[in-house]
Formats: sequence, C-alpha cells, structure tokens
Amino acid sequence: DAKTTQPPSMDCAEGRAANLPCNHSTISGNEYVYWYRQIHSQGPQYIIHGLKNNETNEMASLIITEDRKSSTLILPHATLRDTAVYYCIVRVVGTNAGKSTFGDGTTLTVKP
Amino acid sequence: GAVVSQHPSWVICKSGTSVKIECRSLDFQATTMFWYRQFPKQSLMLMATSNEGSKATYEQGVEKDKFLINHASLTLSTLTVTSAHPEDSSFYICSARDLSSGANVLTFGAGSRLTVL
Repeated sequence: DAKTTQPPSMDCAEGRAANLPCNHSTISGNEYVYWYRQIHSQGPQYIIHGLKNNETNEMASLIITEDRKSSTLILPHATLRDTAVYYCIVRVVGTNAGKSTFGDGTTLTVKP
Repeated sequence: GAVVSQHPSWVICKSGTSVKIECRSLDFQATTMFWYRQFPKQSLMLMATSNEGSKATYEQGVEKDKFLINHASLTLSTLTVTSAHPEDSSFYICSARDLSSGANVLTFGAGSRLTVL
C-alpha cells in the first residue's frame, strides 16, 4: 500500500464544512483512495472511495487532485456526531482489503 | 448494506481463562474475515486473516496458539483468546468484505472490549 499522511487532529464548528486532507504522493495508478472513520469505542465505518474522479455520496465528498498525490474528504455540514478518527487508506481493488494499513488517522472534533 | 455482527460487545474475565469472540456476516457470505486489535489511543493492528475451511493466516508477532481462530462457515469466524492475561486486555474488532459489491470495501463489527483481571 502507498503510504498516507494525515494531520493528527482538526477542529470544526458544527454546521460548517469539515475538510480533511490526506497526502499519498507515492500512490500507484491502480490504487484507490478509501476513507473510513471510527467513532469512539466503535468499529470503523466505511465512508467513501475513489480512483481519480471526485466522488459524492450521502455521507461525504471525496476530492482527488489531478496528479492523485493528495485527496480531501469533505463533510459538508459537520454535526457533533461526526466527531471521530478519520482514516485515509490507499489500496488496489481486488487485493486483500483486510490487509489495509490503518495509520494514525485524523481526529476530527466538531465543536458546538 | 452489508452488516457484520460481533459478540460479545464487552467481556471481563479472570487471568488464565479463555474468551471466545464471535464475528458474523449477517447478509452476505464471507470466505475471509479479518481480526484486529486496538489499544487505547492507537490505530487498528491486523492480527490475522480468517479463511473459511482452512487455517488462519497470522501477522508477524501474533501468537497463533494464543489467539485461536476458527472459520467454520461462510458467515461465522471466532477468535478465542486462550489463557488470557491482563496484557491481552484490548479492543478486538473483526471485519469482512462483501465480494458481491465489487468495491473492496470492508465492513467492520462494533468491536469487543476485553478486560482481563
């Protein structure tokens, strides 16, 4: 897996957009970017993934730069329940997803 | 969507006893499941890959005789912590991949918190 780098922590005001960056400068052409989050004392939860096009679902948007060396997860209207550790992972589709390396992630704190 | 159920959600046991944790895929079949351990304020660490009908594959440094894994069916994997000691106290999480989705996305259980006294 390509190595990812994320800021250790971020704060966001409730109702505002939370933009979480991830650097993956060594990503290869067949590696996807996946985002998961882990709310305290729960198992991780899948959020979104993408290859090179921007993606959006009911939870978030994923913006991937044209050179694919970095990406940003956007929570458009953060709520207190979005407080969690967010993990950015790169992985080749079709390979053993369970082998994905969970780094330290970004602890997002949404404040009232 | 895919759901993974993990049981028990928390367990307290005495040192020297064994504890079994179950991981079930509720609405899909999983030939492979994954077990992780997470210590406080740390990230997830993959312990082993559970393979239906065959032996589990353990990560380097994980004692296979201490952490027994059985994957008896396409929807159930169990992790048994044998002769548990206080240093085994941790948050244990399982995951599985719904191959029918084609997205290589992991679905995680809610986790099991083990406290060994």
